[in-house]
Amino acid sequence: KQEVTQIPAALSVPEGENLVLNCSFTDSAIYNLQWFRQDPGKGLTSLLLIQSSQREQTSGRLNASLDKSSGRSTLYIAASQPGDSATYLCAANNNAGNMLTFGGGTRLMVKP
Amino acid sequence: EAGVAQSPRYKIIEKRQSVAFWCNPISGHATLYWYQQILGQGPKLLIQFQNNGVVDDSQLPKDRFSAERLKGVDSTLKIQPAKLEDSAVYLCASSQRQPDTQYFGPGTRLTVL
Repeated sequence: KQEVTQIPAALSVPEGENLVLNCSFTDSAIYNLQWFRQDPGKGLTSLLLIQSSQREQTSGRLNASLDKSSGRSTLYIAASQPGDSATYLCAANNNAGNMLTFGGGTRLMVKP
Repeated sequence: EAGVAQSPRYKIIEKRQSVAFWCNPISGHATLYWYQQILGQGPKLLIQFQNNGVVDDSQLPKDRFSAERLKGVDSTLKIQPAKLEDSAVYLCASSQRQPDTQYFGPGTRLTVL
């Protein structure tokens, strides 16, 4: 059974810092790994999807990497802004059926 | 393009009462998912539909939870009777195909007293 862990559970940084969020998973036989953002009281917004054959994906100031052999993924946020404050969730997809196993999330606060 | 719609947004009920949530996926999306998100945790998949058929419901507490997707479009999730531990946000998501990016609705926040 896949288990996904995110550390730290909460993070507070000053505006402008580059930061890394960590995600680890126990079953390396994943189909893809996804990163989501969740704002308070709202649903999830997909940020990046990395296929199992890929090593990384980039979108603007975001870069996600995937290392299947070590069971790890990281989300790198460059030049953080207060608007980046949210909960970031990673999710592993272990089959083509698209059933996701989520981590507990990292609550990010970017202070002006 | 309209997103995933859910209603109601909030619901407060007494334990042992019943409740139903409604979801309208993005037009043309064949796959629909219901998740339960307990405060401070990541979402947990309850049930996945492909058109109007169930793909996976292994984590759905079938003694009290039921879901249907008539005509392969809208879906309803029901809880009967509700327990205190059912207090959570219920998220609906849809995707065009499998596997693909899932698009989430705003969720329904359920409080069971």
